[in-house]
Amino acid sequence: GQNIDQPTEMTATEGAIVQINCTYQTSGFNGLFWYQQHAGEAPTFLSYNVLDGLEEKGRFSSFLSRSKGYSYLLLKELQMKDSASYLCAVKDSNYQLIWGAGTKLIIKP
Amino acid sequence: IAGITQAPTSQILAAGRRMTLRCTQDMRHNAMYWYRQDLGLGLRLIHYSNTAGTTGKGEVPDGYSVSRANTDDFPLTLASAVPSQTSVYFCASSDGSEGNTEAFFGQGTRLTVV
Repeated sequence: GQNIDQPTEMTATEGAIVQINCTYQTSGFNGLFWYQQHAGEAPTFLSYNVLDGLEEKGRFSSFLSRSKGYSYLLLKELQMKDSASYLCAVKDSNYQLIWGAGTKLIIKP
Repeated sequence: IAGITQAPTSQILAAGRRMTLRCTQDMRHNAMYWYRQDLGLGLRLIHYSNTAGTTGKGEVPDGYSVSRANTDDFPLTLASAVPSQTSVYFCASSDGSEGNTEAFFGQGTRLTVV
């Protein structure tokens, strides 16, 4: 079966750095996405990785290792507004997105 | 403002009733999707459409039907609602289904079946 694993919840301090991990087992791989979802709102796109390595976009970076079936989202200089759920999703061989359950990130002052 | 709109935003529905959730996008995206989101679970695909006139079944299609008469609209119908269909429903669209095409989501419909 297809599976995406992420921690359920993480806590970090304002101004700090946090890394949210995602491991996946899917039938085929056509890219990995990270989305941010604030409580009661729609998911919004953060990043896309299809090749191994690090993609940096401002305070957010995303890393992919296809051989290990592993990705992480790195958030730097955390702000209170970063409190949200972070969803990892993989496009499988049929180009359908398989979603993890999301990691709820709590930022404390 | 370009985007994807869902209606209603929330609904309480009696079991056994029929209900259509509406979804409209003005981005001229070919692909559209319906997901449900339940606590502790990832988004699960109900139905999808890669282009107007075609639809396909996702991971959890039972009890739901869709149509795609044109590019902009992708309604989801519950023929006879059951309490297990209580969920938050998200409609999404993307400019194609392949590669790095990101999905854009509507604001969601919170449905409670009693």
